[in-house]
Amino acid sequence: NAGVTQTPKFQVLKTGQSMTLQCAQDMNHNSMYWYRQDPGMGLRLIYYSASEGTTDKGEVPNGYNVSRLNKREFSLRLESAAPSQTSVYFCASSSQGDTEAFFGQGTRLTVV
Amino acid sequence: KNQVEQSPQSLIILEGKNCTLQCNYTVSPFSNLRWYKQDTGRGPVSLTIMTFSENTKSNGRYTATLDADTKQSSLHITASQLSDSASYICVVTGQTGANNLFFGTGTRLTVIP
Repeated sequence: NAGVTQTPKFQVLKTGQSMTLQCAQDMNHNSMYWYRQDPGMGLRLIYYSASEGTTDKGEVPNGYNVSRLNKREFSLRLESAAPSQTSVYFCASSSQGDTEAFFGQGTRLTVV
Repeated sequence: KNQVEQSPQSLIILEGKNCTLQCNYTVSPFSNLRWYKQDTGRGPVSLTIMTFSENTKSNGRYTATLDADTKQSSLHITASQLSDSASYICVVTGQTGANNLFFGTGTRLTVIP
């Protein structure tokens, strides 16, 4: 069972570069999420998608865009990376009505 | 303000010993509380869920408690093993829906031989 798969696992960007983090889940979940995790802080929600075709901002959406490509895939795009976006990014998914989130293994992003 | 606070921030214990991690929250309304385990370099994985009416729930060597009146939860680990070394995150759900999750900053547990 693959669960939630994120790519890449590691990435180094220069300030101003753009990139897309990919996420796919094979559990037929309706809801998908992008979080960032920084030292000393809890996971913070960037964007979420309650169902295919919908996306909503979370707590820290500035500097990011998302696309819910289909039910399986939810991508996160950084248009112009900044050092403040250095973080570990987690994608997660859940069934509608269920509060258990299943997480990917994370993408460690460094912006220099 | 909806907040989840965990203590201690970090903890080192000897293998075989017990430990208790604490979680206090101010989230309202309250739907449920989960404890997640996050191994280094991995995503969090749910250990247990506590609903409003539950006081205690066990999952192997892990026992979670919930006092909904005082808005406190604890996670007790019995007979610790080296594989218990991880971060333990308390997550409270407000209104129904996984987009209303409030995360604590976690307790980093290190079990040494």
